[in-house]
Amino acid sequence: AQSVSQHNHHVILSEAASLELGCNYSYGGTVNLFWYVQYPGQHLQLLLKYFSGDPLVKGIKGFEAEFIKSKFSFNLRKPSVQWSDTAEYFCAGYNFNKFYFGSGTKLNVKP
Amino acid sequence: DGGITQSPKYLFRKEGQNVTLSCEQNLNHDAMYWYRQDPGQGLRLIYYSQIVNDFQKGDIAEGYSVSREKKESFPLTVTSAQKNPTAFYLCASSATQGRGNTEAFFGQGTRLTVV
Repeated sequence: AQSVSQHNHHVILSEAASLELGCNYSYGGTVNLFWYVQYPGQHLQLLLKYFSGDPLVKGIKGFEAEFIKSKFSFNLRKPSVQWSDTAEYFCAGYNFNKFYFGSGTKLNVKP
Repeated sequence: DGGITQSPKYLFRKEGQNVTLSCEQNLNHDAMYWYRQDPGQGLRLIYYSQIVNDFQKGDIAEGYSVSREKKESFPLTVTSAQKNPTAFYLCASSATQGRGNTEAFFGQGTRLTVV
């Protein structure tokens, strides 16, 4: 069955620390992958997306993700987090007309 | 302003009652989706529709029903058959149907509480 899994459920970092959130997908065929962010009280917003081409994808707010086909992974990274990055992050894939979401990672950045 | 509007933002329902959540989009998107968000479980797909007058069950369709009579609208009814309806419900839409290279746009969500 198609699925997307996230390894970290809750991450706590201090400001300026580096961030890496893991995501794996388990389906074949066309690979469309996304990272969404949900700030407290706000709707889900797209951070970045991968459809094809360069496996290193740049998104908004300094986030990037790397698609590694051999590892079925699409990890999210940010070199230096800020307090305003406190949010819940969701990895997602699109396959057979549906979006599949991971269970989410809550990031808490301490000032 | 283009976007997805969900209403109401908060909804309280008595046990045994059906309730309908509204979702309207003015993005001219073909596909629309309903997700349920519970803490630690991410977003789980309830129903989705790729075109008017057609929809498919997602992973947790039991106790829910939908209709797609207009391209802009995809209301979700939570029936009394849904055993645990208290949750945060998210509606989404996307542009292309049946092909990749698309992304989902989300509404603000409806928080349903059964009292």
